[in-house]
Amino acid sequence: RKEVEQDPGPFNVPEGATVAFNCTYSNSASQSFFWYRQDCRKEPKLLMSVYSSGNEDGRFTAQLNRASQYISLLIRDSKLSDSATYLCVVNRGGNTPLVFGKGTRLSVIA
Amino acid sequence: ETGVTQSPTHLIKTRGQQVTLRCSSQSGHNTVSWYQQALGQGPQFIFQYYREEENGRGNFPPRFSGLQFPNYSSELNVNALELDDSALYLCASSPAMRGRVDGYTFGSGTRLTVV
Repeated sequence: RKEVEQDPGPFNVPEGATVAFNCTYSNSASQSFFWYRQDCRKEPKLLMSVYSSGNEDGRFTAQLNRASQYISLLIRDSKLSDSATYLCVVNRGGNTPLVFGKGTRLSVIA
Repeated sequence: ETGVTQSPTHLIKTRGQQVTLRCSSQSGHNTVSWYQQALGQGPQFIFQYYREEENGRGNFPPRFSGLQFPNYSSELNVNALELDDSALYLCASSPAMRGRVDGYTFGSGTRLTVV
């Protein structure tokens, strides 16, 4: 079983739609959680960190459920520029590496 | 402040050859990590260097090796290349071994094709 699992998609949504991505992680020692965005043939870039209390950054909302070992990302009012692959990432803290999911591909269509 | 730079950007090698990829870390960052991203997959951790020593390794064979230099730049070497080594190789630097995890900065990667 992969340490971080995501639905690979693709999710094809119209502009203005709300879309949600889910992610589960298997290692209960995970301490830090993130969503990264990766455009085609580019490097991953940090979109937002995810906190237990939930956090919001503009149109993006991230949630963490430690009991269920589940992370989500909600994108409201989708824009064409949101088209990308969204990577769920966890970390066990200290000097341990980032552990990435396979990514969920989103296409926002005009 | 300069970011993470990787070279070359693209590379084509023949099976059995050796390759060296290079990474210059962001100013002020002393830790460098290397990741392999195969097509359609998330990045997979290869190893990490802190102050010129390997400080963690993923599930990769010994033919994947690395170095970190006093200026914190780094090299990834792969011997006896196999077709499955074809991937995007990403370097990420961070400010300290036990620093903030969201301080990682990724380079734009080296796309290696093995034929």
